[in-house]
Amino acid sequence: AQSVTQPDIHITVSEGASLELRCNYSYGATPYLFWYVQSPGQGLQLLLKYFSGDTLVQGIKGFEAEFKRSQSSFNLRKPSVHWSDAAEYFCAVGLFGNEKLTFGTGTRLTIIP
Amino acid sequence: DAGVIQSPRHEVTEMGQEVTLRCKPISGHDYLFWYRQTMMRGLELLIYFNNNVPIDDSGMPEDRFSAKMPNASFSTLKIQPSEPRDSAVYFCASSSGQGWMNTEAFFGQGTRLTVV
Repeated sequence: AQSVTQPDIHITVSEGASLELRCNYSYGATPYLFWYVQSPGQGLQLLLKYFSGDTLVQGIKGFEAEFKRSQSSFNLRKPSVHWSDAAEYFCAVGLFGNEKLTFGTGTRLTIIP
Repeated sequence: DAGVIQSPRHEVTEMGQEVTLRCKPISGHDYLFWYRQTMMRGLELLIYFNNNVPIDDSGMPEDRFSAKMPNASFSTLKIQPSEPRDSAVYFCASSSGQGWMNTEAFFGQGTRLTVV
């Protein structure tokens, strides 16, 4: 069965510092990969997605993610975080032809001044 | 479009009572998903519909849970009887299945359910 792992439950980063959130997946085929962000009290918002092609994808709010097949990873990055980036981040995977997404357990991001 | 609309935003109920959560998907979307979010288990898919028909309900935890979609603009998730372990945030999401490249699930703001 497919699975998604986000190894970091909570990360604290200083404002202006770089960020990398980890995501590993386990699938029999090439998955379709997503990153969502959840601000407090809000629903999830799509940051970016990877289906095929260039393995480095750009998303909203200055985020990017890189698909590495050899490592079964899809890590989210941002070169310089802002206080407004404090939120919970979810990695998700899906399979072609199946609308069902499987989510990781999330990583909570705290930004300190 | 106002996005996915869920009601109520917060619900507090006593154990044993029936609870009904409501969702209005984005107009034109033909997929609707119900998720449950807890600290222990994260975000779990409970059930999803395509064109008002339930496609996969394997995530529904027990017979106490039921979901319906009587038309394209409305869905309910019902818990009867409710138990304290059902306390969670329940999200509804919708998407258009018009080709995978265009698929994005739009989420509502969730219903925070507390069963005491």
